Amino acid sequence: DGGITQSPKYLFRKEGQNVTLSCEQNLNHDAMYWYRQDPGQGLRLIYYSQIVNDFQKGDIAEGYSVSREKKESFPLTVTSAQKNPTAFYLCASSTSPSYEQYFGPGTRLTVT
Amino acid sequence: QKEVEQNSGPLSVPEGAIASLNCTYSDRVSQSFFWYRQYSGKSPELIMSIYSNGDKEDGRFTAQLNKASQYVSLLIRDSQPSDSATYLCAVHSASKIIFGSGTRLSIRP
Repeated sequence: DGGITQSPKYLFRKEGQNVTLSCEQNLNHDAMYWYRQDPGQGLRLIYYSQIVNDFQKGDIAEGYSVSREKKESFPLTVTSAQKNPTAFYLCASSTSPSYEQYFGPGTRLTVT
Repeated sequence: QKEVEQNSGPLSVPEGAIASLNCTYSDRVSQSFFWYRQYSGKSPELIMSIYSNGDKEDGRFTAQLNKASQYVSLLIRDSQPSDSATYLCAVHSASKIIFGSGTRLSIRP
């Protein structure tokens, strides 16, 4: 089955802890993206990567970090510097930036 | 001015009627346009993409694009209760896809 997987589905952390969200795709897509969605809001771009070993900041990159060591994987670390980390995190991939993006099932992060 | 604007709704449509969802965008050079459906608590699902002016039909869905007016719309014919969801308009701009905040659609029996 081709697709995008994100794990875990739900994640709970204490304030001050870093946490890493996983995103894997077997669609052979070059581009990958991380979005954040807050209740009743649209999607806000955190980071994106168009090729391996390269990535760019999106609109709300502060307090987050990423890596792209393999084409299939684009993990997101939510650091303790992110002031309001509780949100629904969505990973997506596409053949190229101008084409359709396909989303994983998302990770719901709660920080208390 | 927001880059991609949608009416937040909710838009209430009777079952069997046509639902019309609208979106405007600010980047005149945008070439790719998308509609996503998002059920509550789930991730967005791509339902339509359109790249040239005019209409594009896929089953009960029709996407309409007017680049001169910077306007894209989605029509859903014979609306079903399962169409109740939030619909996100997305536009390719400057190497990124910009999403609108979505329109909540409710199909009433």
